[in-house]
Amino acid sequence: KQEVTQIPAALSVPEGENLVLNCSFTDSAIYNLQWFRQDPGKGLTSLLLIQSSQREQTSGRLNASLDKSSGRSTLYIAASQPGDSATYLCAAKSNFGNEKLTFGTGTRLTIIP
Amino acid sequence: NAGVTQTPKFQVLKTGQSMTLQCAQDMNHEYMSWYRQDPGMGLRLIHYSVGAGITDQGEVPNGYNVSRSTTEDFPLRLLSAAPSQTSVYFCASSSGPNFSTDTQYFGPGTRLTVL
Repeated sequence: KQEVTQIPAALSVPEGENLVLNCSFTDSAIYNLQWFRQDPGKGLTSLLLIQSSQREQTSGRLNASLDKSSGRSTLYIAASQPGDSATYLCAAKSNFGNEKLTFGTGTRLTIIP
Repeated sequence: NAGVTQTPKFQVLKTGQSMTLQCAQDMNHEYMSWYRQDPGMGLRLIHYSVGAGITDQGEVPNGYNVSRSTTEDFPLRLLSAAPSQTSVYFCASSSGPNFSTDTQYFGPGTRLTVL
């Protein structure tokens, strides 16, 4: 059974700093891995999707990497801004069966102005 | 287009009542799913559908029913509400597993409280 872990649960950094969010998964047989952003009281917004054959994806100040052999993905945020404050979730999609996404519990990020 | 819409935004039920959470998407997506989000547990899949007329169970299906009569709509029915079903419910859609991008689009959620 796939398990996805995100540590730490909360992170505060000063504005302007670069930061890395971590995601680990137990079953390396994944179809893809997605990073989402969730603002308080809102739904999830997809940020980046990495296929199992890819090593990284970039969008603006965001870069997500995937290392299946070690069961890890990271989300790198460059030059952080107060508007980046949100909860970031990663989700692994299984290769098999019912196309289920397994979510981590998220990292709540606060950017301090 | 509106993307994924959910109604209602908030709902309070008494134990034993039934209700239907509505979900609609206008992106012609084949794949739709329902998740619940509880503190400290992440999002968990309740039911999903890979196309009109096809549904299947996810991780936590007990107490919920779904149907998919059209591509656009995927309602979630609570048969007899229990306090354990107090949660935030999210509907999601995607173009489906045969597309290389397969990005999931989420609705804004329904916050349900069962007393």
